[in-house]
Amino acid sequence: DAGVTQSPTHLIKTRGQQVTLRCSPKSGHDTVSWYQQALGQGPQFIFQYYEEEERQRGNFPDRFSGHQFPNYSSELNVNALLLGDSALYLCASSSSGESSYNEQFFGPGTRLTVL
Amino acid sequence: GEDVEQSLFLSVREGDSSVINCTYTDSSSTYLYWYKQEPGAGLQLLTYIFSNMDMKQDQRLTVLLNKKDKHLSLRIADTQTGDSAIYFCAERMDSSYKLIFGSGTRLLVRP
Repeated sequence: DAGVTQSPTHLIKTRGQQVTLRCSPKSGHDTVSWYQQALGQGPQFIFQYYEEEERQRGNFPDRFSGHQFPNYSSELNVNALLLGDSALYLCASSSSGESSYNEQFFGPGTRLTVL
Repeated sequence: GEDVEQSLFLSVREGDSSVINCTYTDSSSTYLYWYKQEPGAGLQLLTYIFSNMDMKQDQRLTVLLNKKDKHLSLRIADTQTGDSAIYFCAERMDSSYKLIFGSGTRLLVRP
């Protein structure tokens, strides 16, 4: 049973460019959350997708957008990249049918470097 | 407000107990979690506790919750070198789907 997978593992972009990161949830999971983890910091919640809709959003600008597909996989898009967007981007999946403690399973992340 | 604080670093000798501390500010937090992150890896859920509990034990792990002081701790008994990692405390309110993480505590286990 594959866990949460993310692609690519590493990415280098320049300021002003756009980037798309991809996530496949753990088998049986229907909910995907995205987090940004800057170096030396804890992850910060970007948004969560469920039933192909964004159902909660953190304190991130509109440059950050996402999508969830019918197979529950998800994409994170970031436009007009800034140097400060350099971080590890983590995807987490969970099941809406799980118990209330709502365990989120994390992928290994995509390391984005903006030059 | 939403804020979770942790000490940055802890060093212990192999075989000793480790205690990692966390404070949170949101009294409406319902679920509190401990995650472990090893280099190059995602986060692994170690354990969690509901806010109506004071203590939870799971093998070598003991979680203590002091709701009055909004203080959470993780004790690792018989710490091993494989326990060296960054440990994150996180909270979640019942009305929310997002996890709010602390900055992490780096645990170094010396042989």
